[in-house]
Parts: sequence; C-alpha cells; structure tokens
Amino acid sequence: DAMVIQNPRYQVTQFGKPVTLSCSQTLNHNVMYWYQQKSSQAPKLLFHYYDKDFNNEADTPDNFQSRRPNTSFCFLDIRSPGLGDAAMYLCATSRDQAGHEQYFGPGTRLTVT
Amino acid sequence: TQLLEQSPQFLSIQEGENLTVYCNSSSVFSSLQWYRQEPGEGPVLLVTVVTGGEVKKLKRLTFQFGDARKDSSLHITAAQPGDTGLYLCAGGRGGSNYKLTFGKGTLLTVNP
Repeated sequence: DAMVIQNPRYQVTQFGKPVTLSCSQTLNHNVMYWYQQKSSQAPKLLFHYYDKDFNNEADTPDNFQSRRPNTSFCFLDIRSPGLGDAAMYLCATSRDQAGHEQYFGPGTRLTVT
Repeated sequence: TQLLEQSPQFLSIQEGENLTVYCNSSSVFSSLQWYRQEPGEGPVLLVTVVTGGEVKKLKRLTFQFGDARKDSSLHITAAQPGDTGLYLCAGGRGGSNYKLTFGKGTLLTVNP
C-alpha cells in the first residue's frame, strides 16, 4: 500500500544534541510537509517543499532545518534541541497544489532530556 | 489570518450516544477536510468536502459543508469506544496556496 513512513517512531535526544528525523513516501506526491504537534493541539506547520522548492513558515525557528534530496525522502534537522522542542513531529504529503488532501505519517515522538 | 474554530474542544459521552462537532470560520474555503487522530499516531483523513451544501456519509459519520463554504459539521450516530480520538477540521484555499488551516481539534472520549 502507498504510504507515508516516518522513522524512528520514538526519538530521545539530549539538550543541544543535533537530531534528524526522516520521512519517506511511496505516493509520489509533489508536496511534503513537516508539522510540530504538542499534546492534544492542532499540528503547526514548520515548512513544506513543493518539489524542490522550500517554503519556510515565518515563525519557524532557525533551529529547524529541512532537506529533500529526492521526491521520496524528506528530513527534519533540529540543530540544537531545547526542552520546548519535545513534541510529535508529523510528516505529510499532498499530490500537488490543486489537491488539498494531506496524508500523514504516524509521527515521531521526540523527547529532549 | 484565517481561523477555523472547532467546538466543543472536549467531549466525553457514553457509548451509543449521538454527537455533533462544529467547525466554523468567517472565511470561505475551497475545500474542507476532517481528520481523526488516535493517541500516538498521525491524523488519518476521513473525508474531503468541496461543494457548498455537500453531505457525505462514512458509516456512522455524516459530514456537511455549509452552503457558503465557511463552516462544516461532523455528526456521529451511536458512538462507539473506537471513535475516541482527536477530530481535526482543516480548510484549504485552493490555487497556489496548498497549505491547510487547521482547527484546534475536538478531543472525543466515548466511554463503554
């Protein structure tokens, strides 16, 4: 089945230690998104790629970076995690700009110690 | 800034009861999606509505898009414990703006 895969499902990192979360998709969708979600809140968009074009949200801290080496993969890099960065990180895809349906991965739960 | 307001924010009911969740905005959306998210998992798309006045049914779930495409509702008949989760509505503007505006969600608990 076509799907969005996130690895790892759970990640523990130390305060200030860089961490990378990964997302892959078999849907061949053009757009990939990274969201941050804190407990029982709506997902907050960090940035998205339309193909190779990177679009950063204005309020996304510089501490968060992303890479999309090809259509299938997208990475979220947190350069110096703080305690406030502990959250669920969700990757999502959509077919193109005409299709608003987004398909989410299962998420990575990040803990910062 | 477009906002989608969901109500209620929390809902705890007994198995077998009916419920309605609302999603309201002062802005027009070209499409509206409903997602359900279970604890520790990503949101799962339930339905997309695109036409004003549209009604879609998914088993015991009925989704309606307002005539003016500014609001939507989700009605669940005879709720079951498996319906427990965070229900999120999200609106799309269309065109080159392919970001979604999310509501804050309704956390539903169905007690056996």
